Amino acid sequence: DAGVIQSPRHEVTEMGQEVTLRCKPISGHNSLFWYRQTMMRGLELLIYFNNNVPIDDSGMPEDRFSAKMPNASFSTLKIQPSEPRDSAVYFCASSLGGGLNTEAFFGQGTRLTVV
Amino acid sequence: GENVEQHPSTLSVQEGDSAVIKCTYSDSASNYFPWYKQELGKRPQLIIDIRSNVGEKKDQRIAVTLNKTAKHFSLHITETQPEDSAVYFCAAGGYQKVTFGIGTKLQVIP
Repeated sequence: DAGVIQSPRHEVTEMGQEVTLRCKPISGHNSLFWYRQTMMRGLELLIYFNNNVPIDDSGMPEDRFSAKMPNASFSTLKIQPSEPRDSAVYFCASSLGGGLNTEAFFGQGTRLTVV
Repeated sequence: GENVEQHPSTLSVQEGDSAVIKCTYSDSASNYFPWYKQELGKRPQLIIDIRSNVGEKKDQRIAVTLNKTAKHFSLHITETQPEDSAVYFCAAGGYQKVTFGIGTKLQVIP
């Protein structure tokens, strides 16, 4: 397996534009996580899915952020409209899930810059 | 929710010395405590984890200890090498998700 795949690796966009980040989890993994990493706040969990169902979105900063997982092999994180303070590295991670907390495998991340 | 505090935020050691990173957590229901290493510009990767039914775990030069009563857990790296230089994150969690500490930047000086 190629691991967790995220795209794009880098995104530069203007304030107010819509941004969509994409993630393909490891095949067979049932849990998927979206994290945001900044110097000030570290790794923050935004939302996680189990068996394609959103379980906890309490970390989503505001209504401008939304996430979907239409099937077991694909998830998106959308920011609309984007703001400069959204600039960060966004990581997607997946794990086996199934009720037991296990190792999360991270993608390479998407570095988002909003100007 | 869970709150994880990690210290120190930066740590410099001479090559060959030991490094210790400490974390505390708030939720007594947490039972899974992984540690991740993130090299510059790379993704976080698990280096070791421990569950609440175990007090200590070792893997070569790395060891973790857990004190559930005090809600403390620590990472110990012995005989540090330059390639150990990275940011280390502790985390704590229960069912399915974990909360990360802020990270410790470890620098090993040759």
